Amino acid sequence: GAVVSQHPSWVICKSGTSVKIECRSLDFQATTMFWYRQFPKQSLMLMATSNEGSKATYEQGVEKDKFLINHASLTLSTLTVTSAHPEDSSFYICSAQTGTGKYRVYEQYFGPGTRLTVT
Amino acid sequence: QQQVKQSPQSLIVQKGGISIINCAYENTAFDYFPWYQQFPGKGPALLIAIRPDVSEKKEGRFTISFNKSAKQFSLHIMDSQPGDSATYFCAASVPRSEKLVFGKGTKLTVNP
Repeated sequence: GAVVSQHPSWVICKSGTSVKIECRSLDFQATTMFWYRQFPKQSLMLMATSNEGSKATYEQGVEKDKFLINHASLTLSTLTVTSAHPEDSSFYICSAQTGTGKYRVYEQYFGPGTRLTVT
Repeated sequence: QQQVKQSPQSLIVQKGGISIINCAYENTAFDYFPWYQQFPGKGPALLIAIRPDVSEKKEGRFTISFNKSAKQFSLHIMDSQPGDSATYFCAASVPRSEKLVFGKGTKLTVNP
């Protein structure tokens, strides 16, 4: 249980274009999803918290107009990187929060990540 | 106050040995301490977690030791295997918060 998928797993786009990444909870409903960014050999950096049916909450320093998040249903959140630039190249990981966790009620389960390369 | 300090940054262990990764925190409000395992090119996977009301939690070869007074917790991997080679992240969360604060990670290499 608690499987989270991401699509695509990797994407290459040209500078100035936009790219959309999907995050789905496959076997549970997630009212809250999170988007992280991870640079090589570094820890996860939380970008934003996505709540179904409401606006995302962005962490300090994350440009909300550049990283558009839509949580349209209880199983799907999308991250759109608009006007991408080479410095946006990174590993983007989503997580979905289950309300029936093993160790506590609310636990985060992570997707497999999306490798974005902007040329 | 929101930091979780993880050490060592990297660790090399022989097959069959014990791997120990340590984390320390300052915020006494933290009440949930998970460990995540991440393989290259993959997302982190929840490995094991502990609440501060217990001092130890064991699942198979993985054990979390928790020292509330010292504000430290550690992951012990017994009988380490080459397949355990991955990056391990400790994390913490405060009550009623959905956010996790992550350590910087430990790259574990288990030599055959």
